[in-house]
Amino acid sequence: GAGVSQSPSNKVTEKGKDVELRCDPISGHTALYWYRQSLGQGLEFLIYFQGNSAPDKSGLPSDRFSAERTGGSVSTLTIQRTQQEDSAVYLCASSIKGDIQYFGAGTRLSVL
Amino acid sequence: GNSVTQMEGPVTLSEEAFLTINCTYTATGYPSLFWYVQYPGEGLQLLLKATKADDKGSNKGFEATYRKETTSFHLEKGSVQVSDSAVYFCALLTGGGNKLTFGTGTQLKVEL
Repeated sequence: GAGVSQSPSNKVTEKGKDVELRCDPISGHTALYWYRQSLGQGLEFLIYFQGNSAPDKSGLPSDRFSAERTGGSVSTLTIQRTQQEDSAVYLCASSIKGDIQYFGAGTRLSVL
Repeated sequence: GNSVTQMEGPVTLSEEAFLTINCTYTATGYPSLFWYVQYPGEGLQLLLKATKADDKGSNKGFEATYRKETTSFHLEKGSVQVSDSAVYFCALLTGGGNKLTFGTGTQLKVEL
């Protein structure tokens, strides 16, 4: 596609439910990144994919968070048993490895 | 570890005023430096970058010079417009290029 696409753009969920956030990177970009943007913490790195493998998961805040990437393309970030502190904007970016990261518009997650 | 410090916002300017947003960094090795901009309701967009000391990045009238001696990458624009109103993020990427480290962001408001 022309840019990084994320869906849904907004997600409202109840505490304790699981959510899945999707990212469709720019075609041909082998690297994919997830970040979280929240009022208290600013922009934080979550996880990095090179192809389908994730050599750096250091930013995932707890074992409730997981992500996968299939076919070297689409990625899904899953949050299990959501908590109110998970409310944030989740941003996805993609790049040709080591080059400029291009960001999607994000998914705004609200946990009630 | 790596860190980026930006000046607190919001910064409010009149149209055609001169803009400076300060950014300093701490990093191991020799990072690449970036300014990203986030317009209301949109994702992050790369504004400019510099990859080595004394490089000057420029775009849309904005400039920033990579100063290794002062570990700084201040953003400047000679004459701001209302359309420049946005949040500006300074960021660094160290060797390996796995993840961006962001500053907290500086909101700019430009008034007529």
